[in-house]
Amino acid sequence: AQTVTQSQPEMSVQEAETVTLSCTYDTSESDYYLFWYKQPPSRQMILVIRQEAYKQQNATENRFSVNFQKAAKSFSLKISDSQLGDAAMYFCARSRDDKIIFGKGTRLHILP
Amino acid sequence: KAGVTQTPRYLIKTRGQQVTLSCSPISGHRSVSWYQQTPGQGLQFLFEYFSETQRNKGNFPGRFSGRQFSNSRSEMNVSTLELGDSALYLCASGLERVEFFGPGTRLTVL
Repeated sequence: AQTVTQSQPEMSVQEAETVTLSCTYDTSESDYYLFWYKQPPSRQMILVIRQEAYKQQNATENRFSVNFQKAAKSFSLKISDSQLGDAAMYFCARSRDDKIIFGKGTRLHILP
Repeated sequence: KAGVTQTPRYLIKTRGQQVTLSCSPISGHRSVSWYQQTPGQGLQFLFEYFSETQRNKGNFPGRFSGRQFSNSRSEMNVSTLELGDSALYLCASGLERVEFFGPGTRLTVL
C-alpha cells in the first residue's frame, strides 16, 4: 500500500524554539506533490506548505520550511520560532491519482 | 478570494435518514474532493470530481454518492444513515488537483 507515515503521534516544544515533525511516504510515481496541513481545534484544515517532487529546492513559507529528501522518501517540517498559535494537529500528505493521502497526524503542543 | 465554503456546518440526523452536504469551491477551481474524518480512521478519501465528472472514488459503500454542477459546486449525499457515518466531512478544491479545504460539516447520527 502506498502510505504516508508520521512516526510521532505527539510532540511538545517550548515557545520561540524550533521543532521538526517527521514524515515518510511510499510511492512509485516520479511526479507528485507533498503537503503539510495544520488542523487547529476549529477543525479547519489549513495548507501550511507544499512541495513539488520534481523541484529539488526545499519549500519555505515564513517560519515553516521542509527538508525534502526524495531518494529517502522523507518530508519533514521545521517550525522556527514556535508560537502559541502553532498548536494544532499537523498532517503530512501526498497527492496520488488526483486525491490526497494523509498520514495519521502529529499533535503539536506549544509550551509557554 | 473567498475560500472553500461548506453548508451546513453542523447537522444532526437519525439512523435511516439521508443527508445532503454542499460545497462551493474557490472561484475558478474545477477539482473538488470529499473526505471523511473520524478519530478512528483518520482522513479518508471519498471521491473527486473534475468538470462535473467523477475522476476517482474511495472505498466507501454505495450509500455515499456525489455530484458536481457546471459551476463546480459539489454535493455529497449519504442515504440510509448509520451511526458510523458520524464524522467531519471535509471538502477540498483546487485548479487541477485539490489543495485547499473548507471548514467541514460535522454530521452526527443518532
